[in-house]
Amino acid sequence: SQKIEQNSEALNIQEGKTATLTCNYTNYSPAYLQWYRQDPGRGPVFLLLIRENEKEKRKERLKVTFDTTLKQSLFHITASQPADSATYLCALDKTAARQLTFGSGTQLTVLP
Amino acid sequence: DAGVIQSPRHEVTEMGQEVTLRCKPISGHDYLFWYRQTMMRGLELLIYFNNNVPIDDSGMPEDRFSAKMPNASFSTLKIQPSEPRDSAVYFCASSLDTEAFFGQGTRLTVV
Repeated sequence: SQKIEQNSEALNIQEGKTATLTCNYTNYSPAYLQWYRQDPGRGPVFLLLIRENEKEKRKERLKVTFDTTLKQSLFHITASQPADSATYLCALDKTAARQLTFGSGTQLTVLP
Repeated sequence: DAGVIQSPRHEVTEMGQEVTLRCKPISGHDYLFWYRQTMMRGLELLIYFNNNVPIDDSGMPEDRFSAKMPNASFSTLKIQPSEPRDSAVYFCASSLDTEAFFGQGTRLTVV
C-alpha cells in the first residue's frame, strides 16, 4: 500500500542551527513533492515544490532535496529562528492528478 | 483575493444532527478539495472537484457524508446524521496549478 512517513513527530533544535526534516514514501511514483507549513489553528501553507527531475530547490533559508531512487525528500531550514516553529507536512501527488496525499507532519520547535 | 473562505469556523452539534460546512474557493481556481484532519489520521483527502464536477470521492468515509459544488464559487460538505467520531477539523482547499491554498478550517465537535 502507499505510505508517506515523516521522520519524527517532534524535533527540537537550537536557534541558529539547521533543521532537517525527512519525508520517505513507498509505492508512489510522484511527479512532484511539496512541503507545507501549518501553524496551530490554521490551514497548511505551501512552501516549496520539487519535481521528479529536480535534485534540489531553494527559497531563501529553505532547501528541499528529492531522491526518487531512495524515495526520500529532505527539507532544510538554515539559520533557524523561533518563528520557524510549526508543523511541516510533506505531500505527494497521486498519479499526477493534482490529488495530494499528506504525511503526518513533523512538529518543529526552535528554542531561543 | 481573500483566500479560501470557510464557514463556520467552529461548529458544535449533537449526535444525529445534520451538519453543513461551507467553502468559497479562490476565484479562478478550477480544483476544490475537502480534507479532514485528526490527531490519529492526520490530513485525509475526502473528495475533490474539477470544474465543479466530483472527480474522486473514495476518501469519503461513509454514505453519511456528501459534498456538492453547485457553481465555481461555492461548495458544501454535509454530514447526516453526525456522529462523535466525525469530530475533526475540516479543511477546504483550492488550486489552479500544483499548489493548494487552504482555508482556515472548520472545527467540528459532535457531542
